[in-house]
Amino acid sequence: QKEVEQDPGPLSVPEGAIVSLNCTYSNSAFQYFMWYRQYSRKGPELLMYTYSSGNKEDGRFTAQVDKSSKYISLFIRDSQPSDSATYLCAMSGGGSNYKLTFGKGTLLTVNP
Amino acid sequence: GAVVSQHPSWVICKSGTSVKIECRSLDFQATTMFWYRQFPKQSLMLMATSNEGSKATYEQGVEKDKFLINHASLTLSTLTVTSAHPEDSSFYICSSLAGATDTQYFGPGTRLTVL
Repeated sequence: QKEVEQDPGPLSVPEGAIVSLNCTYSNSAFQYFMWYRQYSRKGPELLMYTYSSGNKEDGRFTAQVDKSSKYISLFIRDSQPSDSATYLCAMSGGGSNYKLTFGKGTLLTVNP
Repeated sequence: GAVVSQHPSWVICKSGTSVKIECRSLDFQATTMFWYRQFPKQSLMLMATSNEGSKATYEQGVEKDKFLINHASLTLSTLTVTSAHPEDSSFYICSSLAGATDTQYFGPGTRLTVL
């Protein structure tokens, strides 16, 4: 079993749709959870950062972490064509264990 | 968010030559930086952890004599691909660790093509 599982998609939705992206993980030591957005041929851009369980909202983006289920989600409301990118979940144990473990990434296309 | 730059953004070189890639943390000091490589349609693969003033820590399977890393200041780390071969062609991305949140901020990447 891989440490982090993420459905690679591709996922195609119409403009305005609500998008749900998910990752599961097996390492209970993970404490910090991140979502990155990566456009083609660009470096990843940090979207959301969450510590431990709970929800975090930033504009159209909501990140959820359920440590009991080892499951994290990213929701995108009112999706736009400019949201078309690959979304990577990442997590770390924090403290001296700051290496990130990435999911494979989900390719999202939002159609106008 | 924090700003990390890379230079060059793309480079083409002949087989057997060496290529240096610079990674700069523009608006914060980073004692720790990371180097990744990414093949098409794949996720990022950590190559090494670069600590300012000390030797880099390489991941298993990464040749430290081929991928030389120098982190001479709190804002600059360099990756030199020595004696490059076509199989070294890839997208190389650096990141800086923001100590306050243990968050990594990534550079825009460098696309290396070895002919």
